[in-house]
Amino acid sequence: EAAVTQSPRNKVAVTGGKVTLSCNQTNNHNNMYWYRQDTGHGLRLIHYSYGAGSTEKGDIPDGYKASRPSQENFSLILELATPSQTSVYFCASGDWDRGFEQYFGPGTRLTVL
Amino acid sequence: GDQVKQSPSALSLQEGTNSALRCNFSIATTTVQWFLQNPRGSLMNLFYLVPGTKENGRLKSTFNSKESYSTLHIRDAQLEDSGTYFCAAENTGNYKYVFGAGTRLKVIA
Repeated sequence: EAAVTQSPRNKVAVTGGKVTLSCNQTNNHNNMYWYRQDTGHGLRLIHYSYGAGSTEKGDIPDGYKASRPSQENFSLILELATPSQTSVYFCASGDWDRGFEQYFGPGTRLTVL
Repeated sequence: GDQVKQSPSALSLQEGTNSALRCNFSIATTTVQWFLQNPRGSLMNLFYLVPGTKENGRLKSTFNSKESYSTLHIRDAQLEDSGTYFCAAENTGNYKYVFGAGTRLKVIA
């Protein structure tokens, strides 16, 4: 069964609204990551976490917050969504005993109108 | 400039032929991953590499850390190999992966 799951899979939000994207992993990995994918940019790192209670800024954190309440769950929060945040968001998990090899969820397509 | 540069950006292959994709790095890296994003959008792990070579079926990948590049060779291309191939390099010391922009591969019959 899928080890990294994301919800929702699709989301339409309004400008200025709050959006929460959720990620759950059953790999028992310490590290979790949020990326966004836009045409021509590959995947870019937004936030990541080393374990429960930890969140770190990635390369493009502006406009996003993250929350890691447990080993299994990692959320990405858009407090005031903007159309520029329309994208596909991927969650991944990894652990140092495998050199942080990353395993990805199926992605969430977010449209901000 | 691009820290991880993939080439070519797009490629069309006749079924049954061979090709090589390349990834050049301008960051210090000790591990590389290759992924295939299928037309549905799912990211599938192909290879996780320390310096050296791995092979899996019709795919073979090499990571040369001294010359800062990695290659992915596809042998006897099949229609199901179509999709976008991404390489990602771990930025040494901070456990963060930097992705290339991808190579869009289309295999035609």
